[in-house]
Amino acid sequence: NIVLTQSPATLSVTPGESVSLSCRASQSISTSIHWYQQKSNESPRLLIKYASQSISGIPSRFSGSGSGTDFTLSINRVESEDFSIYYCQQSYSSLFTFGSGTKLEIK
Amino acid sequence: QIQLVQSGPELKKPGESVKISCKASGYTFTDYAMHWVKQAPGKGLKWMGWINTYTGKPTYADDFKGRFVFSLEASASTANLQISNLKNEDTATYFCARSHYYSSFNYWGQGVMVTVSS
Repeated sequence: NIVLTQSPATLSVTPGESVSLSCRASQSISTSIHWYQQKSNESPRLLIKYASQSISGIPSRFSGSGSGTDFTLSINRVESEDFSIYYCQQSYSSLFTFGSGTKLEIK
Repeated sequence: QIQLVQSGPELKKPGESVKISCKASGYTFTDYAMHWVKQAPGKGLKWMGWINTYTGKPTYADDFKGRFVFSLEASASTANLQISNLKNEDTATYFCARSHYYSSFNYWGQGVMVTVSS
């Protein structure tokens, strides 16, 4: 199975800062990585698909990059509503997997 | 509009069974795969598997082979998850999520909390 390793586990930032969240795959997965945001007691929400493709309705401060094994979700100038948990997910193999998540918290 | 509406919360005893439903609306049910995702309290997302809504063929992640069954009521645009011989560690919120085949989850159900306690 493909293992996704997210880092850091927790990221403490001040609103207005820009951040990068990492997701590393245990083998090459081309660009078959997707990013989700999950707020407390809510269903996850798709932010970015296929590493860098934007999703309608998602603020432009969210962007993604990477290919192969290393992927990054970037948030330009974090806003208060962005403090939540972020997960990556791969669809390269028929057995999908999620990363363990990065919690973005207020510093 | 596209919606996935799941059934209500469940309280079960160890050894019992539970069946959770996910009713889709706003799109052609058989055009998209349906996935199931587990989230234990305070934990991350765990992909359980998916069902091909056109053929009915299920695929299970390794940790969900045996006691877990995905099924369809295609005429009702509904996907079901049945868990048998419930254990305390099955206590979790279970989400259904829609995807194009081999793609991202662009719509999610609201989640169903299943509590297993004696």
